[in-house]
Amino acid sequence: QKEVEQNSGPLSVPEGAIASLNCTYSDRGSQSFFWYRQYSGKSPELIMFIYSNGDKEDGRFTAQLNKASQYVSLLIRDSQPSDSATYLCAVNIRVFSGGYNKLIFGAGTRLAVHP
Amino acid sequence: GAGVSQSPRYKVTKRGQDVALRCDPISGHVSLYWYRQALGQGPEFLTYFNYEAQQDKSGLPNDRFSAERPEGSISTLTIQRTEQRDSAMYRCASSLGAGYSPLHFGNGTRLTVT
Repeated sequence: QKEVEQNSGPLSVPEGAIASLNCTYSDRGSQSFFWYRQYSGKSPELIMFIYSNGDKEDGRFTAQLNKASQYVSLLIRDSQPSDSATYLCAVNIRVFSGGYNKLIFGAGTRLAVHP
Repeated sequence: GAGVSQSPRYKVTKRGQDVALRCDPISGHVSLYWYRQALGQGPEFLTYFNYEAQQDKSGLPNDRFSAERPEGSISTLTIQRTEQRDSAMYRCASSLGAGYSPLHFGNGTRLTVT
């Protein structure tokens, strides 16, 4: 089992719809979770982070975390063509033997918003 | 600096040559990561530094790959005796500290081994 799993997509949604992106992770002890957006040919850029169970909203974006199910998601409301990109889920994996964390990324989900 | 700076942006080298990729993190950032990203994939963890200490190198593919961060700032990823399969985008990222701080990525170095 991969440490962080995402459906590669593409996920195609019409403009104005809600896009739902999902991610599961294997390390039950993980405490912090991040969503990055990556446009083609560009570097990943941070969209949101979430640490606690429940929902966290920022503008059109909502991150949802369920630690019991080891599941984190990103909702994009009122999707725009400019939201078309690859969305990367990243999870901080605790390395107990070394007393540090390392950030592991999923393969990313490609989102296409069509007018 | 204002952001994470990587150099060179592009590197083309012949098989068997050594290459050194440089990363200059954001000033004051303690944590530094190297990732490799293939087309259509997410960043793949290579190695992690906390200050100058290389705390995790479990992602380095083999012993041709090495990294250092001698003064806890600039880092160099070195690939010896390059092979065509080493061709990829190499990304450096830094953060204030491991755990809850988000990563800031550089623009990457596109390595092509011919």
